[in-house]
Amino acid sequence: QKEVEQNSGPLSVPEGAIASLNCTYSDRGSQSFFWYRQYSGKSPELIMSIYSNGDKEDGRFTAQLNKASQYVSLLIRDSQPSDSATYLCAVNSGYALNFGKGTSLLVTP
Amino acid sequence: DTAVSQTPKYLVTQMGNDKSIKCEQNLGHDTMYWYKQDSKKFLKIMFSYNNKELIINETVPNRFSPKSPDKAHLNLHINSLELGDSAVYFCASSQAGTIGETQYFGPGTRLLVL
Repeated sequence: QKEVEQNSGPLSVPEGAIASLNCTYSDRGSQSFFWYRQYSGKSPELIMSIYSNGDKEDGRFTAQLNKASQYVSLLIRDSQPSDSATYLCAVNSGYALNFGKGTSLLVTP
Repeated sequence: DTAVSQTPKYLVTQMGNDKSIKCEQNLGHDTMYWYKQDSKKFLKIMFSYNNKELIINETVPNRFSPKSPDKAHLNLHINSLELGDSAVYFCASSQAGTIGETQYFGPGTRLLVL
C-alpha cells in the first residue's frame, strides 16, 4: 500500500511567520510530488510541484524534497490570513495521485 | 474560461437511485480522473482514464462506472446509491508525458444520499 502521511494539525502560526508543512511517503519509486491548497468547500488548487532533490522556490512558497528520506515539505514565508486552508501533499503513484489527509493551517492576525 | 467543469454542483437523492455526474475539460488533456473526498476530507483516486486504458482502484464498488464519450469528457455513473456514497466527487485532468503530469481539478460535485 503506497502511503502519504501528513500531520493533520491544525497548525497555527501568527501572521508574518513561516509556516512549515511536512509530508512523508512510502513509495521509494515516486518521482513527482505536489502541494495542493484546498479552501473549505472548494477544489484542490496546485501550489507547487517538485521532482528533484533540493529546494524549489516560487514567491512566498518553497518546496523541499529529500528522496533518500522520503520526505517533502512546504514552507510558506510571511504567512497571511488568506493562507489559512488545508494543504494536501500528493505523490504520483504511476497512474494517479496519492494524497495525504492534509494539514490544516490557521494564520492568526 | 473554466478549465475543468462538473455538473451538477450539488446532488441530493434517495438510496437505491441511479445518478450520473458529468465532467468536461477544455485543456486538451488526454487523461481524466475521478476522485472521492469523504467527510474526513481524505481525497482518494477512483478511476484514471485515457483513450487507451481505464485503471480502476480496486476498492471502488462496481456500482460506479466511468463513461467517456470523447477525450474531453469523463462522466461518472453510480447505480443503486448507498448512504456511504455521500461525499464530494472531483474530476481532474492531466496530459500524459508531461513532467509530473500535473493534475487540474474541477469544482466538485457534492453528493448527498438520503
